Amino acid sequence: EAGVVQSPRYKIIEKKQPVAFWCNPISGHNTLYWYRQNLGQGPELLIRYENEEAVDDSQLPKDRFSAERLKGVDSTLKIQPAELGDSAVYLCASSGNSDGNYGYTFGSGTRLTVV
Amino acid sequence: AQTVTQSQPEMSVQEAETVTLSCTYDTSESDYYLFWYKQPPSRQMILVIRQEAYKQQNATENRFSVNFQKAAKSFSLKISDSQLGDAAMYFCAYRDSDKLIFGTGTRLQVFP
Repeated sequence: EAGVVQSPRYKIIEKKQPVAFWCNPISGHNTLYWYRQNLGQGPELLIRYENEEAVDDSQLPKDRFSAERLKGVDSTLKIQPAELGDSAVYLCASSGNSDGNYGYTFGSGTRLTVV
Repeated sequence: AQTVTQSQPEMSVQEAETVTLSCTYDTSESDYYLFWYKQPPSRQMILVIRQEAYKQQNATENRFSVNFQKAAKSFSLKISDSQLGDAAMYFCAYRDSDKLIFGTGTRLQVFP
């Protein structure tokens, strides 16, 4: 099993440019999460999907962030335009039905640097 | 709102020794789940151990065990026989309505 796959591993962009991150969850996992981890902090939830529906996006800065999960499988997180404060690691995680109580499976994240 | 606090930004331990990482949390719920995750430089969050709040028995996974004190809202991680590969960031997490709330982490260094 490949686990949760994220790309790219690293991304450096200039401020005001757009950027997108991609996540492929574990096959069969219906719940997908995007977390942001600032330097020296723990991850914080941005958005949670149940299949293709975003069921918790209360922490997603909707003026510049957007996300989608086509067909309830892969997901893309986009920032447009990026700001210096968006520099962070963006982690994707997934879980199956009722698996959340057993913890989630995380990907290796994308480290974004905005210059 | 639920919060998770890790008061030790850094800890160190000698190889083969035992170390305990501290975590406290705040919640008004009676049934919940707690986790310890390890984050090596590869950045992937790896589940170390989980605890169900309604179970009084402390969870154990090989060299890793927890001391769960529900009344005190404390959830510490004990690593026995520490190995060089245990060096990483360790995060305590509380599961709230299908999302994890993480502490700020403890960096563990292991010296040979």
